[in-house]
Amino acid sequence: GENVEQHPSTLSVQEGDSAVIKCTYSDSASNYFPWYKQELGKGPQLIIDIRSNVGEKKDQRIAVTLNKTAKHFSLHITETQPEDSAVYFCAATPSGGYQKVTFGTGTKLQVIP
Amino acid sequence: DAMVIQNPRYQVTQFGKPVTLSCSQTLNHNVMYWYQQKSSQAPKLLFHYYDKDFNNEADTPDNFQSRRPNTSFCFLDIRSPGLGDAAMYLCATAPGGWKSNTEAFFGQGTRLTVV
Repeated sequence: GENVEQHPSTLSVQEGDSAVIKCTYSDSASNYFPWYKQELGKGPQLIIDIRSNVGEKKDQRIAVTLNKTAKHFSLHITETQPEDSAVYFCAATPSGGYQKVTFGTGTKLQVIP
Repeated sequence: DAMVIQNPRYQVTQFGKPVTLSCSQTLNHNVMYWYQQKSSQAPKLLFHYYDKDFNNEADTPDNFQSRRPNTSFCFLDIRSPGLGDAAMYLCATAPGGWKSNTEAFFGQGTRLTVV
């Protein structure tokens, strides 16, 4: 099955700085890579996703890059704000049928005002 | 508007006393999932339904069962909760389909405490 590794497990940045979270996956059949943000006591919410036919995707302050050859993908948050503080999970899903979301281990991001 | 609704948000149950958590969706999605998330860990998939087809993860304990009486509702039954089953339980849905790679929608979760 798919195995997703995520680093770092915790990340502290000053407000306004950038934050980068990196993930690797094992199953070359995976072709959809969502990123979820989970605030304390709530369910994960999708913030951005990327498909394997795309190398980079950007949505305002958030961007995701994908290197299929190396099986790496990363989340980039620029101009961080205190409300960005949360746990972020990367995930990978295989093609076809339906999503079976395999999550990374999570990164707790703290943005210091 | 909430699209995946979990009830209750908080559940306290006694050791060994059966408990049922519920999930409903307004998205008409084919796929419904149950995840277990313990403190500071990633959500762990317990099982999922594709329509009425039930798919159990290999390492999901027999103590956990699920029912999906119709498209909108799915239940998680814990037959004899142990202290180790205290966790957040997350329900999620996805459209499904052979060409589908779209997002999974999560509910807010049910925090289960076992006393």
